[in-house]
Amino acid sequence: GAVVSQHPSWVICKSGTSVKIECRSLDFQATTMFWYRQFPKQSLMLMATSNEGSKATYEQGVEKDKFLINHASLTLSTLTVTSAHPEDSSFYICSARDLGREGEKLFFGSGTQLSVL
Amino acid sequence: SQQGEEDPQALSIQEGENATMNCSYKTSINNLQWYRQNSGRGLVHLILIRSNEREKHSGRLRVTLDTSKKSSSLLITASRAADTASYFCATAPVTGANSKLTFGKGITLSVRP
Repeated sequence: GAVVSQHPSWVICKSGTSVKIECRSLDFQATTMFWYRQFPKQSLMLMATSNEGSKATYEQGVEKDKFLINHASLTLSTLTVTSAHPEDSSFYICSARDLGREGEKLFFGSGTQLSVL
Repeated sequence: SQQGEEDPQALSIQEGENATMNCSYKTSINNLQWYRQNSGRGLVHLILIRSNEREKHSGRLRVTLDTSKKSSSLLITASRAADTASYFCATAPVTGANSKLTFGKGITLSVRP
């Protein structure tokens, strides 16, 4: 199956700093990637849909100025948590579809655990 | 609100036993998918069943879909300790080539060796 690489796996930062998380499709091109947030023992909450070459589509209640998404190429989307605060501490996961094959299922990155002190 | 609702929320079984997990949803779907998540990791796709299918098998996995009841079940036969994980159902809406999947809350499965 397709491979999605997410980096870093975990990050600890001070309150007020910004953190960038990368999501790469390694063996396919992804015109669309999805970013999720997950709290312990809870479901995935879709934050935004990242579209290559255009603005991301944010879900209701997600601050676009807080969570900046850039999808500059067909293999890379980044999520930047700006001016992070302790309440932003969470597990962030990206996913993508390989529309060239098995287009209906999602391939996920391994996730990023963000801890804001 | 959640489209997919799994039950039970947690399941603990002995190795070798079968594990049955259920998912209910509210609106019409194109397909329903089951994913597995190991602690602290991303999700892995397990199986997809389309709205016009009733049952599907993949190895030790068996998925059923009842569109009249808007429910699905995932059966893992002859469970192993390595099956310990969280399992999520996800539904794809009827329309949209690149539509968003909606995930349920998940079921935590513990398989005791």
